[in-house]
This record gives sequence, C-alpha cells and structure tokens, in this order.
Amino acid sequence: AQSVTQLGSHVSVSEGALVLLRCNYSSSVPPYLFWYVQYPNQGLQLLLKYTSAATLVKGINGFEAEFKKSETSFHLTKPSAHMSDAAEYFCAVYTGANSKLTFGKGITLSVRP
Amino acid sequence: DADVTQTPRNRITKTGKRIMLECSQTKGHDRMYWYRQDPGLGLRLIYYSFDVKDINKGEISDGYSVSRQAQAKFSLSLESAIPNQTALYFCATSDSRGHNEQFFGPGTRLTVL
Repeated sequence: AQSVTQLGSHVSVSEGALVLLRCNYSSSVPPYLFWYVQYPNQGLQLLLKYTSAATLVKGINGFEAEFKKSETSFHLTKPSAHMSDAAEYFCAVYTGANSKLTFGKGITLSVRP
Repeated sequence: DADVTQTPRNRITKTGKRIMLECSQTKGHDRMYWYRQDPGLGLRLIYYSFDVKDINKGEISDGYSVSRQAQAKFSLSLESAIPNQTALYFCATSDSRGHNEQFFGPGTRLTVL
C-alpha cells in the first residue's frame, strides 16, 4: 500500500523567506507524485507533478519540488515567500497498483509580513 | 466556466435527512471521485468510478452511496445524514490515459445538525 507523510500541520515564514514543505512517501512501485494547493474557500489546484521524467519539477507560482528516490521524499520549495502563498498544501502519491491517489494530511502555510 | 462543478455549494440539514450532492464535469474525463475533507485528516476517498458501469468503494464509504448517471455526472447521497458527516466534500475527475492528475471541484460544505 502507498502512503504519504507530511510532518507537522503548520509552517509559518516571513515574507521573502524560503518556503520548505516536506513530503515523504511510501510505495512499493515507482510512484507519481503531486503537490496540490488549497486557498481558503476553494478546491484543490495542482501545483506540480512528478511523473518519472526530470527529478526536479517546476510548478506554478515559483514552486518547485525534487524527487529523491533514496530518501523517498518530494519536498516542496519556493525561494521567496509571498503573502499570496498562504494556503494549505497537500502532497499526494499515485501508483498504478491500485489506481488511486493517496493524500497526506496537509500542511498550512502562513506568511508573516 | 468551471470544468468541474458541484451543487449545492453549501447545505445545512438535520439528522436523518436524505441529502444528494451533485457533480458535473466538462473535461471529458472517464474517472470521477468523491472525497471528504476534515481538519487535520486531509482528504479521504469515499467512492470512485472509472467509468459509468464501474463504481468502487473508497476508504470511508459507510453511510454514503453514489450514482454515475452519465460519464459527466457523479452524485453522492447520504441516505440518513448524521452529525459526523459534517465536512467539506469534493468531487474530482481524471483521465485514465494520463498520470491520474485529478481536477477538483470547488467543494460542498455540508453541515448536519
């Protein structure tokens, strides 16, 4: 079975600071990995995805993530936080084994002025 | 116009009432999903459908039923609503020819009193 771990429930950074949101996955087969963002009162929007091509994936709004097989990680980063980045972020893993997307519990990002 | 729509967006009901949440999509995707979101628990899969004649239970299907009326429509019913079904409900779609990137509707906030 596959699973996703997002440690912590809340991260707070200052505007302009580095954003780092951690995601570790468990999968017995090569996974596809996703980061979604949920702004207040909205649905989930895809930020970026890893589908076995380049291990460094660039997404929307300046976010990127690096797939590290040896660490079973897919951490999300952004060099400089903006107030508009305040949202909840979900990491998710998909494998063809059960054709389902498994989500982490999510992490809330706050950005301080 | 939104690709994935959900109706209603908000609903308050009483214990024991039957409730139907509806989802429609114009993306032409064959797969559709229903999730519920609870604070601190992330998204949990209720039911999913890979085509009109293929419906499967997710991890928390008890107390829920679904109907796939057409490729573009997937409804979720609570036969007898109870307070612990108070949550945010999301519909999502994906294309089986892709990497299971899922596209989400805006959500339905359901409150059961």
